[in-house]
Amino acid sequence: QKEVEQNSGPLSVPEGAIASLNCTYSDRGSQSFFWYRQYSGKSPELIMFIYSNGDKEDGRFTAQLNKASQYVSLLIRDSQPSDSATYLCAVPGAPGRRALTFGSGTRLQVQP
Amino acid sequence: DGGITQSPKYLFRKEGQNVTLSCEQNLNHDAMYWYRQDPGQGLRLIYYSQIVNDFQKGDIAEGYSVSREKKESFPLTVTSAQKNPTAFYLCASSMEGRVYNEQFFGPGTRLTVL
Repeated sequence: QKEVEQNSGPLSVPEGAIASLNCTYSDRGSQSFFWYRQYSGKSPELIMFIYSNGDKEDGRFTAQLNKASQYVSLLIRDSQPSDSATYLCAVPGAPGRRALTFGSGTRLQVQP
Repeated sequence: DGGITQSPKYLFRKEGQNVTLSCEQNLNHDAMYWYRQDPGQGLRLIYYSQIVNDFQKGDIAEGYSVSREKKESFPLTVTSAQKNPTAFYLCASSMEGRVYNEQFFGPGTRLTVL
């Protein structure tokens, strides 16, 4: 079983809509969760992290965490064409290993 | 400006050649990482270092080597033993001692084997 799973997409939404990106993880001991945005040909950029159950909001982005269900999501409100990118979910690796484990990413397309 | 730099941006390697990818950071971060990304896939960990003069293998270390002689620098050598090195290589860094390990990435090096 993969440690971090994401639907590869593409997820296509119209401009102005809410985009919902989902991620499941296998390690129940994971304490923190990260969302990175990666434009084509560029490096990942950290946009959100969350460590408590519930919601965390930052501008148009909301991260939602449900540890019981081992599920973390990213909502993008008022989606813009500039949001079109691949969104990577990441969790800390095995205990003692500080490096992150990444999902394969979900490609989001926002249609003008 | 603080940040992570990687060079070169593009690198072409002939079969049987070793090449070294540079990664430098001026963020005063303790930990540095190398990841590899293949098309349509997530990032896979090659090596990481939490302190100078110490580093650990990641999930796909075979055919790669690293050194960490300075806090600011973590070069990656892709050796001829790496059979399929064509990929996008990403260096990252983070501050140790933080509970939540936010990692920040350099711009990447795209390596192509000719």
